[in-house]
Amino acid sequence: DGGITQSPKYLFRKEGQNVTLSCEQNLNHDAMYWYRQDPGQGLRLIYYSQIVNDFQKGDIAEGYSVSREKKESFPLTVTSAQKNPTAFYLCASSMPGQGQETQYFGPGTRLLVL
Amino acid sequence: DAKTTQPTSMDCAEGRAANLPCNHSTISGNEYVYWYRQIHSQGPQYIIHGLKNNETNEMASLIITEDRKSSTLILPHATLRDTAVYYCIVSMDSSYKLIFGSGTRLLVRP
Repeated sequence: DGGITQSPKYLFRKEGQNVTLSCEQNLNHDAMYWYRQDPGQGLRLIYYSQIVNDFQKGDIAEGYSVSREKKESFPLTVTSAQKNPTAFYLCASSMPGQGQETQYFGPGTRLLVL
Repeated sequence: DAKTTQPTSMDCAEGRAANLPCNHSTISGNEYVYWYRQIHSQGPQYIIHGLKNNETNEMASLIITEDRKSSTLILPHATLRDTAVYYCIVSMDSSYKLIFGSGTRLLVRP
């Protein structure tokens, strides 16, 4: 089945620790995205990548880093500089084009700080 | 900031039509209207999108007013599984950025 997978489903981070969230897609999509969602809120864009080896900051990139070495993978690292990392993290992908493509989302990773 | 305004919550009876409104009075001529929904603790799911004309697919219908300043998402026969938060988004190109507001929390009652 084609789709987007995120792992792990739940992740616990200790103070001062970096953690990496995985996102893989087999949809052959060029573009990938990372969003953060806080309770009762909408999604906010962290980083996006429209092509391999290239990515741009979204609205709330501080304290996060990404890489895009392969088309199908877009891992997100939550660094110790992110002071309030507890949130639901969602990865998405799309095939850019004429403005009518849609984003497909993974099931999400819930990050909790111990 | 989100470019759309939606009611915070709505409810409807199972089997009846659910009509979810959205105001987007500042929409520009080349911006599409997208609808996504998010069932609790899951990733958002694309429902439908449109530019000017009304659209229908297997999930829903989208009615866009002639002046494009508002739209309505219609779920023709709501089921309990349609209980979710519904997001109305305007975007020139969904491959760049989707700005999610707080959405409408739809509760389908048995």
